[in-house]
Amino acid sequence: DTAVSQTPKYLVTQMGNDKSIKCEQNLGHDTMYWYKQDSKKFLKIMFSYNNKELIINETVPNRFSPKSPDKAHLNLHINSLELGDSAVYFCASSLQQGGATEAFFGQGTRLTVV
Amino acid sequence: QKEVEQDPGPLSVPEGAIVSLNCTYSNSAFQYFMWYRQYSRKGPELLMYTYSSGNKEDGRFTAQVDKSSKYISLFIRDSQPSDSATYLCAMSHSGNTPLVFGKGTRLSVIA
Repeated sequence: DTAVSQTPKYLVTQMGNDKSIKCEQNLGHDTMYWYKQDSKKFLKIMFSYNNKELIINETVPNRFSPKSPDKAHLNLHINSLELGDSAVYFCASSLQQGGATEAFFGQGTRLTVV
Repeated sequence: QKEVEQDPGPLSVPEGAIVSLNCTYSNSAFQYFMWYRQYSRKGPELLMYTYSSGNKEDGRFTAQVDKSSKYISLFIRDSQPSDSATYLCAMSHSGNTPLVFGKGTRLSVIA
């Protein structure tokens, strides 16, 4: 049973397109996250949702819009894709917010903008 | 200065060696310290978790936190080729703040 699953695993698209990445967790966790991992493997938080409410919104262009229809799902929509958006995007979840509990990561979505 | 500094390596060791991985940090408020392991094309998975200072051991892995020096370490004893991965340190200063990750150290254990 996959705990945190993301789709698609790979996404290749042209500049200017709009795309979505979906994430689902079956762990019953309250908090979900989106992280971006760049080509140098640096993992940086983008958004955090707790019980469908946006808690953290780091300095991310407003072309990125997260949506949480329920506690188990957190999707990421990206408008007007740019070359610099190419990265691996990881969804994660944890029982509580922040560093007090383990975060479980999905397998990642490798986004390539051409 | 970045909040969390980690040497990206790569680090290459023979099988059976003791591996030492380290991170330094600047924020003295950090209290939760974690080590994640990430295999190629996979998501990070939690390896070790420590709250505040001290040591924690789990099998071949030992995590150490020295808050006075703002320095954390992960030791791997009797390293195996299956330990080849990127190791990321992560930390936060309260239960409600997100993890701040180091850049990760790529480790190769050669059989």
